[in-house]
Amino acid sequence: DARVTQTPRHKVTEMGQEVTMRCQPILGHNTVFWWYRQTMMQGLELLAYFRNRAPLDDSGMPKDRFSAEMPDATLATLKIQPSEPRDSAVYFCASGLVLGALVPNTIYFGEGSWLTVV
Amino acid sequence: QKEVEQNSGPLSVPEGAIASLNCTYSDRGSQSFFWYRQYSGKSPELIMSIYSNGDKEDGRFTAQLNKASQYVSLLIRDSQPSDSATYLCAVLTASGAGSYQLTFGKGTKLSVIP
Repeated sequence: DARVTQTPRHKVTEMGQEVTMRCQPILGHNTVFWWYRQTMMQGLELLAYFRNRAPLDDSGMPKDRFSAEMPDATLATLKIQPSEPRDSAVYFCASGLVLGALVPNTIYFGEGSWLTVV
Repeated sequence: QKEVEQNSGPLSVPEGAIASLNCTYSDRGSQSFFWYRQYSGKSPELIMSIYSNGDKEDGRFTAQLNKASQYVSLLIRDSQPSDSATYLCAVLTASGAGSYQLTFGKGTKLSVIP
């Protein structure tokens, strides 16, 4: 059963610590990839978008502390350094497939990483 | 700024009734539209996608798209208590250089009353 895998599922850390979240896209689903953050107040907010592993849009990310990479087709990372209490949220990754010139028609989310910064 | 609007709800329907969820979007050039279901404490689960004007049916779910009105809806027939969740509308728009922007509404909370 193909799915997007995220780790860790839950993380509690102290302010100022580095946090790394990882995501494994669905095999073959590496053409388009997103990182989102969800809070009760803001809903789902886009942090970064990748196509063919290249970052095309990271305008939603606080660049002084956040970084996102796709070192290979099976792994994406989102790092926060240093973390702050306001970073507490659920972080989701999503992967999709684009065939030829068509737009993505299946976009699946990972199970999420619940982050609490105290 | 691309916007996707949904009524936050809660929308309450009796078991067995039809639930109607609505969504409007601001970018006329948007190309694909998705409905996700999200249970509390869980990740968004893809229910349906639609790209062409008209209706698309999958089991108890029907998605409707009207690009002229910039409106997309989801109908759930024979609603069950297990359908109680937050439903997220997502709109995909090409933003140049092979980039796709996937914008979400804030979601509509549906409660199906037994």
